Amino acid sequence: AQTVTQSQPEMSVQEAETVTLSCTYDTSESDYYLFWYKQPPSRQMILVIRQEAYKQQNATENRFSVNFQKAAKSFSLKISDSQLGDAAMYFCAYRSGGSNYKLTFGKGTLLTVNP
Amino acid sequence: DAGVIQSPRHEVTEMGQEVTLRCKPISGHDYLFWYRQTMMRGLELLIYFNNNVPIDDSGMPEDRFSAKMPNASFSTLKIQPSEPRDSAVYFCASRDRAYGYTFGSGTRLTVV
Repeated sequence: AQTVTQSQPEMSVQEAETVTLSCTYDTSESDYYLFWYKQPPSRQMILVIRQEAYKQQNATENRFSVNFQKAAKSFSLKISDSQLGDAAMYFCAYRSGGSNYKLTFGKGTLLTVNP
Repeated sequence: DAGVIQSPRHEVTEMGQEVTLRCKPISGHDYLFWYRQTMMRGLELLIYFNNNVPIDDSGMPEDRFSAKMPNASFSTLKIQPSEPRDSAVYFCASRDRAYGYTFGSGTRLTVV
């Protein structure tokens, strides 16, 4: 079974600075998808960014980008120019390719943004 | 679109009582998922449906839990009888090929 590990239970960053959240995963598959979700205090799970394993280019969404290292099974999230609204729990998630649509989540990283 | 709608938002019940959580997926989404979130175990998949048919229920903790999807616009997760260890936030999510997964706001269940 696939596992997703987020080794940083908590992180903090100063407003306008850059922070990187770590995620590693274990799989024997070659076709899969990786996601970062944000969960603010409202509880809503919000998709931040998604990466297909077959794509070598790292995904980017505005201030959010990933460093996808397939051989190392690493998928870190970089948040640039951090804003107060970025404060939330961040979850890394894995989905197999093919017809299995189950998402497997890491335990999450609580990000605090200091003014 | 109003997104994935879950009700109730909060539920407090006594041990032994039956609890029913409800979910309305986004119209046109063909997959529906039920997840449970706790501090200890994080987010766990309980069950998911494709076109109203249960595909994988291996995450359902025990026979006290059951889920149904009688039509494309409605699903329920029932716990009978409820126990304090069932206290958690329960999320429903739906998926379509183009837009990926959309989560509801969750139901916070407290069993006392």
